[in-house]
Amino acid sequence: DQQVKQNSPSLSVQEGRISILNCDYTNSMFDYFLWYKKYPAEGPTFLISISSIKDKNEDGRFTVFLNKSAKHLSLHIVPSQPGDSAVYFCAANSGGSNYKLTFGKGTLLTVNP
Amino acid sequence: NAGVTQTPKFQVLKTGQSMTLQCAQDMNHEYMSWYRQDPGMGLRLIHYSVGAGITDQGEVPNGYNVSRSTTEDFPLRLLSAAPSQTSVYFCASSRDGQWGTEAFFGQGTRLTVV
Repeated sequence: DQQVKQNSPSLSVQEGRISILNCDYTNSMFDYFLWYKKYPAEGPTFLISISSIKDKNEDGRFTVFLNKSAKHLSLHIVPSQPGDSAVYFCAANSGGSNYKLTFGKGTLLTVNP
Repeated sequence: NAGVTQTPKFQVLKTGQSMTLQCAQDMNHEYMSWYRQDPGMGLRLIHYSVGAGITDQGEVPNGYNVSRSTTEDFPLRLLSAAPSQTSVYFCASSRDGQWGTEAFFGQGTRLTVV
């Protein structure tokens, strides 16, 4: 049973437009959420995170929104750039145990010039 | 700064062979983890360690052993490789288990078992 779900395997957007990547979770114990970005043949790299006491966290072009009642989070990238093309993983943990992450399957984002 | 270093990057094994995937970090992180990534799947936790001498099982531990004799190293052992262990393996480390700290990942080891 998948506890973290990314239902869109892929997303294609034009350069300069907004990219919205979605993630749903089922485990009510999750209280910290992270987004990782992964290029081919590389390890995932941390992008942005949010704790359950917040509903928004912003870092430059990246914003993560958390809707706890819906068990849903989203990553917004504005404006999208071709270098953003990668697989984006949503991950979650509970109790601050960031060494025990539960990942979604990932969404492949393609930003077209 | 090397970060998290995994060796080898690629490996082909025959069914039944054993091998050790190496992972080393130079950031003095207490927490280290091993994940595997299969096609169309997210990363799944195999084993983790919260400090030297302390390890525990993750979601998919069967067929794998770990030990943590030093802070820097966290090797993953395949005792008798099976085709189902064909995967990309990632090692990660983090400074502590608290909110606001991130896990750093190595570049991965692509393992094929034939």
